[in-house]
Amino acid sequence: DAGVIQSPRHEVTEMGQEVTLRCKPISGHDYLFWYRQTMMRGLELLIYFNNNVPIDDSGMPEDRFSAKMPNASFSTLKIQPSEPRDSAVYFCASSPGTASYEQYFGPGTRLTVT
Amino acid sequence: GQSLEQPSEVTAVEGAIVQINCTYQTSGFYGLSWYQQHDGGAPTFLSYNALDGLEETGRFSSFLSRSDSYGYLLLQELQMKDSASYFCAHGRNYKLSFGAGTTVTVRA
Repeated sequence: DAGVIQSPRHEVTEMGQEVTLRCKPISGHDYLFWYRQTMMRGLELLIYFNNNVPIDDSGMPEDRFSAKMPNASFSTLKIQPSEPRDSAVYFCASSPGTASYEQYFGPGTRLTVT
Repeated sequence: GQSLEQPSEVTAVEGAIVQINCTYQTSGFYGLSWYQQHDGGAPTFLSYNALDGLEETGRFSSFLSRSDSYGYLLLQELQMKDSASYFCAHGRNYKLSFGAGTTVTVRA
């Protein structure tokens, strides 16, 4: 298995622009998670899906952030408009339903908003 | 609410043993996980404790005491490649809350 795939690996954009991050989970995993990691706030859960349905988005910082999972093999996290404080590493992770504590993380997208 | 406390840094020499403690406060408990993250890399799962006691996986072991709201990760026979950040995480309703992480530096 190729593991969790994320794209792009690096994104540099200007404030006000729209940013779309992409994720392909491990085949057969029922759960998909989006995390954000910064030095100040550590690793934070933004939202997670079960069988393509958003279950908990309480970690999404504000309305500028949105996430979708149109099918079992694809998810997006969108920021519109982006701000410098959104600069972080964004990780996507997936997990089988039987072991939610064991999550498989993608390589992450390093986002820089100037 | 949930919070996890762990030391920020630990330094040790190759071949040594390191113990990373994690104390937690939570309104419910669904097990303690440990993840490793190398600089610039992604977190990778190491171990999970749902019940009290010790879980051993090769050179790494994890321990949990639910009555003390306490757990630890034990790294034995330290190698240079073990230099990384280690996170304890608590799970509830499929959500993981992570501690701030402990940076382990292994010196020759």
